[in-house]
Amino acid sequence: AQKITQTQPGMFVQEKEAVTLDCTYDTSDPSYGLFWYKQPSSGEMIFLIYQGSYDQQNATEGRYSLNFQKARKSANLVISASQLGDSAMYFCAMREGRWYSSASKIIFGSGTRLSIRP
Amino acid sequence: GAVVSQHPSRVICKSGTSVKIECRSLDFQATTMFWYRQFPKQSLMLMATSNEGSKATYEQGVEKDKFLINHASLTLSTLTVTSAHPEDSSFYICSAKIGQGDEKLFFGSGTQLSVL
Repeated sequence: AQKITQTQPGMFVQEKEAVTLDCTYDTSDPSYGLFWYKQPSSGEMIFLIYQGSYDQQNATEGRYSLNFQKARKSANLVISASQLGDSAMYFCAMREGRWYSSASKIIFGSGTRLSIRP
Repeated sequence: GAVVSQHPSRVICKSGTSVKIECRSLDFQATTMFWYRQFPKQSLMLMATSNEGSKATYEQGVEKDKFLINHASLTLSTLTVTSAHPEDSSFYICSAKIGQGDEKLFFGSGTQLSVL
């Protein structure tokens, strides 16, 4: 069963506009973490933001914020004031189990290709 | 941030040969490293979890005799693709976690394997 779902295979956004990338997840583990990574065409994976399942407030990192709706099991990424350099693949990921556990692992969604129009 | 070095970045080999990919954590000790495989325009698929000093845990459907993982030290994990075939051609990327207190995964730059 799909544990991380990204329903938007591709998105086009005008420069300077805000954009929301959707992510829903499925887990029965009360302890989990949610990540967003950016992958430009070079292939490197760039960490953007992290939200723990017990965190009370939504995570923010500069222009990135994570809209964490625990009851809906969604963790959407919001990019404010998009820039041309934001064009890339964006992956939502989930860690199941406690981070310090050797059994914990991170699985990724199918990704959303974001293209910023000048 | 922490640096994970992955080599080689690109390798082309003949069918039937073995290829070794190295993943090093340069400025931290990585108790756990993960190996992912990514096909063009697709997501990262977890292949195995590698804990220092113990056998790797492979995901369902991943042949452990085909993809040998060794994590002999806290700074080095290797993935060896044995008797490579064209269907093994893919982008392989490693990642490492520092441990408790830092929830980020640090990724290597990836290895593009092409088997002729």
